[in-house]
Amino acid sequence: DTAVSQTPKYLVTQMGNDKSIKCEQNLGHDTMYWYKQDSKKFLKIMFSYNNKELIINETVPNRFSPKSPDKAHLNLHINSLELGDSAVYFCASSPSLGSSNTEAFFGQGTRLTVV
Amino acid sequence: AQTVTQSQPEMSVQEAETVTLSCTYDTSESNYYLFWYKQPPSRQMILVIRQEAYKQQNATENRFSVNFQKAAKSFSLKISDSQLGDTAMYFCAFRPSWGKLQFGAGTQVVVTP
Repeated sequence: DTAVSQTPKYLVTQMGNDKSIKCEQNLGHDTMYWYKQDSKKFLKIMFSYNNKELIINETVPNRFSPKSPDKAHLNLHINSLELGDSAVYFCASSPSLGSSNTEAFFGQGTRLTVV
Repeated sequence: AQTVTQSQPEMSVQEAETVTLSCTYDTSESNYYLFWYKQPPSRQMILVIRQEAYKQQNATENRFSVNFQKAAKSFSLKISDSQLGDTAMYFCAFRPSWGKLQFGAGTQVVVTP
């Protein structure tokens, strides 16, 4: 059973399009994240939700909009895609903030290529 | 603000040898957690080892061990008896009790036959 599942794994799209990446976790975790990994492999947090509430919103263009319909799902919608959005996007989840069990589990990543 | 620094972009090691990856971090928090994650070419992020800051004993997981120096804010990873399957990008990560998980820039480890 996959703990954190992202779809799609690969996404190639043209500039200006709108696309979504879906993420689901079956670990019963309260906290979910989106990370962006650039071409130099640097991982930067974008958003974090705890029990469906946004708790971390880094300096990300407002073309990026996360949505958490329930605590097991955190989707990422991107409007008006730009070349610079090309990257690997990782979804992750972890138990509640403040929990002593703080390991984050990651999805397999979505490689987004904007052409 | 917290930062995580990995000063070694790439390390090469022969099979069966030992390699040590360095990581330093900066924080004013007293309670936090430190991690090493491995990212092989498959790009899956895999937790290698975890250390709680309140524990003095260094964590060990099979061939992987850490040297945690809290006063120096240092958290190095030692890989013993290196195997070809250890070839991957290794990320040091820091998380305060009530904050976000932040990563260093990564160290690419290449294990050669």
